[in-house]
Amino acid sequence: GAVVSQHPSRVICKSGTSVKIECRSLDFQATTMFWYRQFPKQSLMLMATSNEGSKATYEQGVEKDKFLINHASLTLSTLTVTSAHPEDSSFYICSASPISGGQPYNEQFFGPGTRLTVL
Amino acid sequence: SQQGEEDPQALSIQEGENATMNCSYKTSINNLQWYRQNSGRGLVHLILIRSNEREKHSGRLRVTLDTSKKSSSLLITASRAADTASYFCATDPPRGGGNKLTFGTGTQLKVEL
Repeated sequence: GAVVSQHPSRVICKSGTSVKIECRSLDFQATTMFWYRQFPKQSLMLMATSNEGSKATYEQGVEKDKFLINHASLTLSTLTVTSAHPEDSSFYICSASPISGGQPYNEQFFGPGTRLTVL
Repeated sequence: SQQGEEDPQALSIQEGENATMNCSYKTSINNLQWYRQNSGRGLVHLILIRSNEREKHSGRLRVTLDTSKKSSSLLITASRAADTASYFCATDPPRGGGNKLTFGTGTQLKVEL
């Protein structure tokens, strides 16, 4: 089956530092990846759509200069939380959508998530 | 917010009982999907139902969809302690509207021995 990995699984950093989170599709190519944020006991909120070879599309209210997204290859997207603050502490989940092969819909496969704690 | 609503927010049942969770959404959809999330983990895809389908089964899972009411339900029969998790519905827009998923607020299910 399609597998998506994230690294690191958890990170603790000091306020003001930047943190990079990687999302990889291990056995398929993905032109589109999605980044979500999830606060405790809440649902997933889409932050941005990462498109290979082009700029990411951010959802309303998400600061593009704070959450930098790079989708450099068909199997890797990175999310960098710049100048992180305690309010950025959250669970970040990515998903990847395989290149359409005539499927009626583009299924998304989710990574295991990254727990970010900013002190 | 376009986020869907799910009810109940939390559900506690005994092993062997059935669990029913409901999801309502706000806009037209192409598909509706249900996911499970164990505490602190990623999402596991359970089942997808298309907008032109009304009911779908997969093992102990039964999903219904009523597009006129913009609602769906997930029934887990003969629940097990291992079913304890959060359950989310997610919708994607009609074809041509992109592939973004909008998640519901989720139901936390606890199955007790």
